[in-house]
Amino acid sequence: QKEVEQNSGPLSVPEGAIASLNCTYSDRGSQSFFWYRQYSGKSPELIMSIYSNGDKEDGRFTAQLNKASQYVSLLIRDSQPSDSATYLCAVRYYSGGYQKVTFGTGTKLQVIP
Amino acid sequence: DTEVTQTPKHLVMGMTNKKSLKCEQHMGHRAMYWYKQKAKKPPELMFVYSYEKLSINESVPSRFSPECPNSSLLNLHLHALQPEDSALYLCASSQEGWDRGESPLHFGNGTRLTVT
Repeated sequence: QKEVEQNSGPLSVPEGAIASLNCTYSDRGSQSFFWYRQYSGKSPELIMSIYSNGDKEDGRFTAQLNKASQYVSLLIRDSQPSDSATYLCAVRYYSGGYQKVTFGTGTKLQVIP
Repeated sequence: DTEVTQTPKHLVMGMTNKKSLKCEQHMGHRAMYWYKQKAKKPPELMFVYSYEKLSINESVPSRFSPECPNSSLLNLHLHALQPEDSALYLCASSQEGWDRGESPLHFGNGTRLTVT
C-alpha cells in the first residue's frame, strides 16, 4: 500500500494569517495530487489539483509540488474561520496496471477569530 | 451542489437485512468508485469501476457487492453486515482513459450507514 502522510494537527492559525499544510508520499511514480477539504460529517470537496512541479494558485489557495522531494503542500492565505476543516491530501498512482487514489490521514485546521 | 447524487442520505439496518446504496452521476465520467470512511479517518478505497467493469476490489468482504448497471449508475448491495461496518459510504466519479491522470475525484454527499 502506497503511503500518503500528513500531520494530523490540529493546526491553529489566527484569522487573516497564512495556513501551511504539508503532505509527503511514498510512490515516485505518482501522477497527480489533490487537496480536498472536509467539514465534519460532510463529504470531501476538491480544493486544488496539481500535476506539475511548481506552484499553482487559485484565489486564496496555492498548491506546491516537488516531485524530487515527494512533497506537496497547500497554502491558504487570509485564513477565515470558515476554512476550519480537515484537509485531505490525495495522490493518484499506478498499482497492478490500475490507477488508485489514496488519501492521507488529513490535517485538521482551526482558524481562530 | 454536488453533481454526484447518493441515496439514501442515512440508512439504519439490522445485521440480517439486505439493502442497497445508490449513486448517480451525469458528468459523462467512466470511472466510478466506492469509498468507506470511518470517523476521524481518511476515505478508504473499496471498489473501482472502469467503463462499467470492476477493475479494483480492495479485498472487501463479500457482504458488500457492487454493481454498475450503466455508465451513470453505481450500486452497493449490502447483506449480513456487522456493526463495525457502520460508516460514511462515499461514491465518487472521474474521467477515464487518456485524461484520467489529471481528473480529480468528484464525491457525492455520502450515505451515513448504521448497522444495529
